[in-house]
Amino acid sequence: SQTIHQWPATLVQPVGSPLSLECTVEGTSNPNLYWYRQAAGRGLQLLFYSVGIGQISSEVPQNLSASRPQDRQFILSSKKLLLSDSGFYLCASQVGFTEKLFFGSGTQLSVL
Amino acid sequence: LAKTTQPISMDSYEGQEVNITCSHNNIATNDYITWYQQFPSQGPRFIIQGYKTKVTNEVASLFIPADRKSSTLSLPRVSLSDTAVYYCLAGETDSWGKLQFGAGTQVVVTP
Repeated sequence: SQTIHQWPATLVQPVGSPLSLECTVEGTSNPNLYWYRQAAGRGLQLLFYSVGIGQISSEVPQNLSASRPQDRQFILSSKKLLLSDSGFYLCASQVGFTEKLFFGSGTQLSVL
Repeated sequence: LAKTTQPISMDSYEGQEVNITCSHNNIATNDYITWYQQFPSQGPRFIIQGYKTKVTNEVASLFIPADRKSSTLSLPRVSLSDTAVYYCLAGETDSWGKLQFGAGTQVVVTP
């Protein structure tokens, strides 16, 4: 089965600093990849998804961007973090649109 | 993508059966129903998926009536480790990753 690697587990960043979160996938090839954000006590908000290298779809206009430089690598970035970017960031992988989602362990981001 | 409605929270004792009902009145013909479980500070984990009638696996059962406007996730003989948030999703299988997870149902199991 698939394994999703996310790091770091926790991150504290000052407002205005850049951000780079990386997600890598093992155990499959050509997955669909997703970035979600979850506020405390809330559901998951889809931020970006990708069906292939260099193909990114954005669901919510915001201060963030995503890139997929390799088949099993998905990166979430920001040039200048805002307080509102704080949250729990989750990467998910899916082999074909008919299959279930596999999630990583997430990164808890605190912007201060 | 069908909008789903589920209770915000449910409490239970160890050993009891927990049934969480999800409403999806606008479910479409091609939509499947899927449930995920999430523990604190972890990503959601797939539990079960179904289209109609009853589906059972080693973790849970999913009951879907003929009109498919609702579904019930049944967790048999819960333990403390079943304390988690449970999400109900309804949509076409080619759109799972694009679904917005709602707030889910917080299930708390106590001794």
